[in-house]
Amino acid sequence: NAGVTQTPKFRILKIGQSMTLQCTQDMNHNYMYWYRQDPGMGLKLIYYSVGAGITDKGEVPNGYNVSRSTTEDFPLRLELAAPSQTSVYFCASSSPGSTNEKLFFGSGTQLSVL
Amino acid sequence: GQNIDQPTEMTATEGAIVQINCTYQTSGFNGLFWYQQHAGEAPTFLSYNVLDGLEEKGRFSSFLSRSKGYSYLLLKELQMKDSASYLCAGVLTDSWGKLQFGAGTQVVVTP
Repeated sequence: NAGVTQTPKFRILKIGQSMTLQCTQDMNHNYMYWYRQDPGMGLKLIYYSVGAGITDKGEVPNGYNVSRSTTEDFPLRLELAAPSQTSVYFCASSSPGSTNEKLFFGSGTQLSVL
Repeated sequence: GQNIDQPTEMTATEGAIVQINCTYQTSGFNGLFWYQQHAGEAPTFLSYNVLDGLEEKGRFSSFLSRSKGYSYLLLKELQMKDSASYLCAGVLTDSWGKLQFGAGTQVVVTP
């Protein structure tokens, strides 16, 4: 069972560069999320999606974009990377309303912007 | 967003019991999750309380009081592998499925 798969695991970017963090899930979950976690802090929601074609901003969306063309995939795009975006990024999925509403997390992406 | 408060760090010895408290604004959330996160790893699910009361799962138990905006995670018979960060997360009432996380409580288990 693959669950939620994120790539890459590590990345170093220069200021101003762009990149896409990939996320895919094979559990047929409608809901998908992107969180970031700074050292010693809890997870903060960047963007989320309740189904293909539908996305919405979370708590800290500035500097990021997402798309949801399929149920499985939910890529996160960083445009013009800044040092403040140095963080660990987690993708997650869930199926609210089911008997098991918990979030399933990917293994994370450690991103450094220098 | 809504505040979720939990202690920063707790230390306990192997075999002991530790209780991690979590408080939140009562109007903000519909249920409460607890996740465990080992250093450098993704959070993993421990428990979910949507009704008041105690839920027990082996060595771990979680309690919720919605009227008081209070939850706790109880870890019994502590083992070294329980050294981790424990995240309290509330299910936001305005959007089903969205979670608001606390900053996490780092539990250090000593021999």
